[in-house]
Amino acid sequence: GQQLNQSPQSMFIQEGEDVSMNCTSSSIFNTWLWYKQDPGEGPVLLIALYKAGELTSNGRLTAQFGITRKDSFLNISASIPSDVGIYFCAGRYTGTASKLTFGTGTRLQVTL
Amino acid sequence: EADIYQTPRYLVIGTGKKITLECSQTMGHDKMYWYQQDPGMELHLIHYSYGVNSTEKGDLSSESTVSRIRTEHFPLTLESARPSHTSQYLCASSEFSGANTEAFFGQGTRLTVV
Repeated sequence: GQQLNQSPQSMFIQEGEDVSMNCTSSSIFNTWLWYKQDPGEGPVLLIALYKAGELTSNGRLTAQFGITRKDSFLNISASIPSDVGIYFCAGRYTGTASKLTFGTGTRLQVTL
Repeated sequence: EADIYQTPRYLVIGTGKKITLECSQTMGHDKMYWYQQDPGMELHLIHYSYGVNSTEKGDLSSESTVSRIRTEHFPLTLESARPSHTSQYLCASSEFSGANTEAFFGQGTRLTVV
């Protein structure tokens, strides 16, 4: 089946630093989604990408849909303590019953 | 804000009991999903539905079953709970077609079987 690898697995950064994480796939996707999950909660959608090369921002977050359609990255600028959590990428290809495949997650910890 | 609700949020239950995890959404979405997630780990799809009377097995084999009698409701049932079923169960929904097919998640049910 399809696999999504996220890197890094975890990050410890200081408040105010920029963060970058990425997701790579063994096959192409038509949609890339980025979610954030707080402990004990469900994932919350951050950004949705629908076209290869698309660059989309949501506040301090910026995500891009890779040209090859096999990767995506998420940047967080000027991190703050509430950015702590697990970030998941998810991809969808309409030829696979439109199921979402989730990445392995990047755990972000922000220190003051 | 997504309108998808799961109950209960937390459940501790003894081995052998039958349980049903509830999931309801008020967005009129045709597609609904159940994911299983161990703490801090990735999400695994265990069931999904395209609409009323449609249910499919997901990528991860599960002893649970689901039903979809109404569009807004997608309950998950375990006939006989076991400690290996201890996990977090997340329900999600999305539109069936169209350009925007983001999945929205409920808050999850954390199940502990003792």
